Amino acid sequence: QSALIQPASVSGSPGQSITISCTGTSHDVGLYKYVAWIQHHPGRAPKLMIYDVNNRPSGVSNRFSGSKSGNTASLTISGLQADDEADYYCTSFTNIGTYVFGIGTKVTVL
Amino acid sequence: QVQLQESGPGLVRPSETLSLTCAISNGSISNYHWAWIRQPPGRGLEWIGYVSYTGDTSYNPSLKSRVTISIGTSRNQFSLKLTSVTAADTAVYFCARAITGTSAYDIWGQGTMVTVS
Repeated sequence: QSALIQPASVSGSPGQSITISCTGTSHDVGLYKYVAWIQHHPGRAPKLMIYDVNNRPSGVSNRFSGSKSGNTASLTISGLQADDEADYYCTSFTNIGTYVFGIGTKVTVL
Repeated sequence: QVQLQESGPGLVRPSETLSLTCAISNGSISNYHWAWIRQPPGRGLEWIGYVSYTGDTSYNPSLKSRVTISIGTSRNQFSLKLTSVTAADTAVYFCARAITGTSAYDIWGQGTMVTVS
């Protein structure tokens, strides 16, 4: 299985909105609603931000939202804050019953 | 609050078996999948596989021939065994919980660094 494609980096100023894309295939992202987004500050435990395309776990800010169109899922962060600076990974269930991660996107707050 | 904690040797010799355990605190093993994910130095996350509370497993095809994930007999821990390791298996290894029937990997351990050398 091949890693999902994400931009290597995305940046924005505080208060702005940014969107991270996650492109897969008709065998994973395009086939199921089981797409999630993980935030990872290096050295800390990863954190679930979005699951099943557009669901937020309890405690996650509503500044984070997810969507999907065809084989591409997206994570939007609105009202960008300094603490949002981290690595973000998408992950999707696949047609062979496994999960695959994206290559990761480094978000920089300017 | 459910917590996960990885443990195991930080150094493994090439060709030997990497063995890690994930201890589950303040939670039940039922109705969840229990997964291992790793991150090689300077690279992204890689899904290794999971074991369900029923004992069913699913593994990354690229690792399937070398991986075993199982639930401990006490049912408050699960383990990872990776055989015939090479330097390419050097990584931070995370254990995580996933809610069955969703993509919600909602609880993660802090991770443990394993070096193959």
